[in-house]
Amino acid sequence: QSVLTQPPSVSAAPGRKVTISCSGSSSNIGNNFVSWYQHLPGTAPKLLIYDNSKRPSGIPDRFSGSKSGTSATLGITGLQTGDEADYYCGTWDSSLSAVGFGTGTKVTVL
Amino acid sequence: QVQLVQSGAEVKKPGASVKVSCKASGYTFTNYGVTWVRQAPGQGLEWMGWISAYNGNTNYAQKFQGRVTMTTDTSTSTAYMELRSLRSDDTAVYYCARPSVADRSRFDYWGQGTLVTVSS
Repeated sequence: QSVLTQPPSVSAAPGRKVTISCSGSSSNIGNNFVSWYQHLPGTAPKLLIYDNSKRPSGIPDRFSGSKSGTSATLGITGLQTGDEADYYCGTWDSSLSAVGFGTGTKVTVL
Repeated sequence: QVQLVQSGAEVKKPGASVKVSCKASGYTFTNYGVTWVRQAPGQGLEWMGWISAYNGNTNYAQKFQGRVTMTTDTSTSTAYMELRSLRSDDTAVYYCARPSVADRSRFDYWGQGTLVTVSS
C-alpha cells in the first residue's frame, strides 16, 4: 500500500545510464522533499539523495536526483555491477502524517 | 562516528510480542528522533513510526496503531520498538534509523537490521 509508485525494474549495460521514476501526489512529493535509498540484500538501506537532488558526502556524482511537480527521478550514469540493488524513493505524506516509501525498483546491470 | 546497533534475531510464535532495541552512539541522542522501518520477505520498505528521543513524542503509522509501542531510554541512548499480537506476516527485517531534524523522510544512518520470524 505504498503511496509512491516506481517501476518494478530497470536494466542497462555497464557504463550506460538508467533513470527511475517515483510518482506521487500533492500531499507527498508535490509539497515535500524526496530522498532516495539504495538497498542491497542483507544490508541496511543507504541514503543516496536528499532534498530532491543533494548528495550526502561520499556518494559519487554518478547518482543524481530531480523533482518536478508530483514526480521525482533518480538517475544513475556510468552503471557498474556494484549498482545492482533495489532503489526506493521516500517522502513525507502530509495527508497521512507519515513517511511513504516507493514500491521499489530493482536495477539490473546486463 | 554515528552508529546504531540493533539487538539480535528473534523467533516468536503467533500472538506473542517482540521488543527490538537500537543503541545509538556517536551523537547526542536527545537531539534526534528514531524511526522504525521494516521489510517483509519479497516486499518493500515500510515506515512504522517515529519517536522523539527528546520528549518521547510518537507518531505511529496507522497500520500499527494499537499494536506497536516505541520508547527510548536516554540514560543508555537506546530506542525500543515493541510489536504485539504478532502474526506470520509480521515476519520481516526491522530497522531503526535516525531521521534528519529538517526532513522526517531523510534517514542518514541505519541500524544493521533485526530479523523477526513469526512461526508456530
